Amino acid sequence: QKEVEQNSGPLSVPEGAIASLNCTYSDRGSQSFFWYRQYSGKSPELIMFIYSNGDKEDGRFTAQLNKASQYVSLLIRDSQPSDSATYLCAVLPLSGGYNKLIFGAGTRLAVHP
Amino acid sequence: ETGVTQSPTHLIKTRGQQVTLRCSSQSGHNTVSWYQQALGQGPQFIFQYYREEENGRGNFPPRFSGLQFPNYSSELNVNALELDDSALYLCASSFSGEADTQYFGPGTRLTVL
Repeated sequence: QKEVEQNSGPLSVPEGAIASLNCTYSDRGSQSFFWYRQYSGKSPELIMFIYSNGDKEDGRFTAQLNKASQYVSLLIRDSQPSDSATYLCAVLPLSGGYNKLIFGAGTRLAVHP
Repeated sequence: ETGVTQSPTHLIKTRGQQVTLRCSSQSGHNTVSWYQQALGQGPQFIFQYYREEENGRGNFPPRFSGLQFPNYSSELNVNALELDDSALYLCASSFSGEADTQYFGPGTRLTVL
């Protein structure tokens, strides 16, 4: 079992729709959860982080965390073609004094006009 | 823009050669982490430096080594290059007080022939 799992996609949504991206993780002791966006050929860009169960909203983005189910998701409202990218879920597990992000392989999102 | 810079942008080497990649952290950040991202995969943690010491390492062989300097900039050295070392190498900087929020530089694309 991979430590962080994401559907590879592509997830195709029409412009203006809600895109829902999902991620599960195996380490129940994980503390912090991150969503990065990565355009083709570029480096990951931090979109949001979430530490506590529930929802966290930032503009068009909402992160949702359910630690009991070991599940974290990202909702993108009013999706735009510029949102087309690979979305990486990253988890910060408990570790021996350093901060090692564990990434999923990413979900490719395609927003079509 | 995160304020994290990396050099060079691209590099082509042959098997058996050695390479040095460089990273300057964001102002105010004292921790640098290095990741390797193969095509179609999420970034994989190589190691992390804090106060000029390696304080965490992923599942990479000893031919991957690093340094951190008093100004918090960092180098990643890879000896005896192998074809599978071809990847995007990412540097992420963070502040130890908020060490779980990591911001990535633009990356160095290494091709080993």
